[in-house]
Amino acid sequence: EAGVVQSPRYKIIEKKQPVAFWCNPISGHNTLYWYLQNLGQGPELLIRYENEEAVDDSQLPKDRFSAERLKGVDSTLKIQPAELGDSAVYLCASSLRTGVQETQYFGPGTRLLVL
Amino acid sequence: GNSVTQMEGPVTLSEEAFLTINCTYTATGYPSLFWYVQYPGEGLQLLLKATKADDKGSNKGFEATYRKETTSFHLEKGSVQVSDSAVYFCALGYSSASKIIFGSGTRLSIRP
Repeated sequence: EAGVVQSPRYKIIEKKQPVAFWCNPISGHNTLYWYLQNLGQGPELLIRYENEEAVDDSQLPKDRFSAERLKGVDSTLKIQPAELGDSAVYLCASSLRTGVQETQYFGPGTRLLVL
Repeated sequence: GNSVTQMEGPVTLSEEAFLTINCTYTATGYPSLFWYVQYPGEGLQLLLKATKADDKGSNKGFEATYRKETTSFHLEKGSVQVSDSAVYFCALGYSSASKIIFGSGTRLSIRP
């Protein structure tokens, strides 16, 4: 079974440019997460989807970040415009929500460098 | 608020040494506790978990016991291998919120 797929794996852009990250979750997983991981820190949740609905986006900086999960499968996270402080690893995870504490499966992440 | 504190790294050990990585938490209610591992160039993987007080999670020779009285979930392994070199994250979560809060991670390096 394929795991969570993310692309690109690395991205280097200049500040003020837009950037987008793509995530394909594990087949059948209804819950999808985007996390931000700064260097030397643990991941922090940006947004969580259940199917197509964003059920927790309280930590998403909405002035420059946006996300979508059309058809409840793949998801895209966008930053526009990017700032130097956005340099980090962006992780996608998915799980099958069953009402008990489910296991989240993580992708390898996209490492973003803003110059 | 809810938070996780784990010992700072890096931790460097010789092969076959005993490992302990300390983790304490602050939380309301009854969270589940987790240890995740991140190998170089890979995503986070669930290593083990415990869902209630006094539960012991175990996997690949690693163990951790959910201690409510000390709010701790220390990770232990009796004999580490070079292949255990990775970053280890302690975390807590609530099934009702489907949200996981991670510690800052501890980098472990094992010398042959």
